[in-house]
Amino acid sequence: GENVEQHPSTLSVQEGDSAVIKCTYSDSASNYFPWYKQELGKRPQLIIDIRSNVGEKKDQRIAVTLNKTAKHFSLHITETQPEDSAVYFCAAIYTGGGNKLTFGTGTQLKVEL
Amino acid sequence: DAGVIQSPRHEVTEMGQEVTLRCKPISGHDYLFWYRQTMMRGLELLIYFNNNVPIDDSGMPEDRFSAKMPNASFSTLKIQPSEPRDSAVYFCASRVAAGKRGGYTFGSGTRLTVV
Repeated sequence: GENVEQHPSTLSVQEGDSAVIKCTYSDSASNYFPWYKQELGKRPQLIIDIRSNVGEKKDQRIAVTLNKTAKHFSLHITETQPEDSAVYFCAAIYTGGGNKLTFGTGTQLKVEL
Repeated sequence: DAGVIQSPRHEVTEMGQEVTLRCKPISGHDYLFWYRQTMMRGLELLIYFNNNVPIDDSGMPEDRFSAKMPNASFSTLKIQPSEPRDSAVYFCASRVAAGKRGGYTFGSGTRLTVV
């Protein structure tokens, strides 16, 4: 089955700096890669996703890149703000298969003033 | 759309008692998933359903756990008997059919504490 590894487990940045979270996956058939943000005590919420037919996707201050050859994808947050502080999860799935979304172990991002 | 609705939000129970968690998926979503989240193990998939049929229950920790989906708008996760190590946040999530755009939508979760 799919295995997703995520690094780092914790990340602390100064407000205004950029943050990068990296994930690798094992199943070359995986073709959909969502990212979730989970604030303390709340549900994971989808913030951005990318499909395997594109290499990069951007939505305002967040962007995701995908390298299919190397089987890794990354989340980039620019101009970080305190409200970006949360746990971020990457995930991978083959949408034509069993629909099991495999999550990374999460990154606790702290944006300091 | 009200999103995925879970109840109760919090549950505190004594060891050995039966616990039932409930979930109402988003209307029109074909897949329903039950996840458990703990600090130690992160988000674990317990079981998922497609069109009300259980597809993969390999994540269910043991026979004390069972899940049902009697219709497209309701699912339950039952723990009997409950143990302190079952304490976690249990999330239900749903999504549209395979091949269509859109990731999972999670419910607000049920925080279970077994004392």
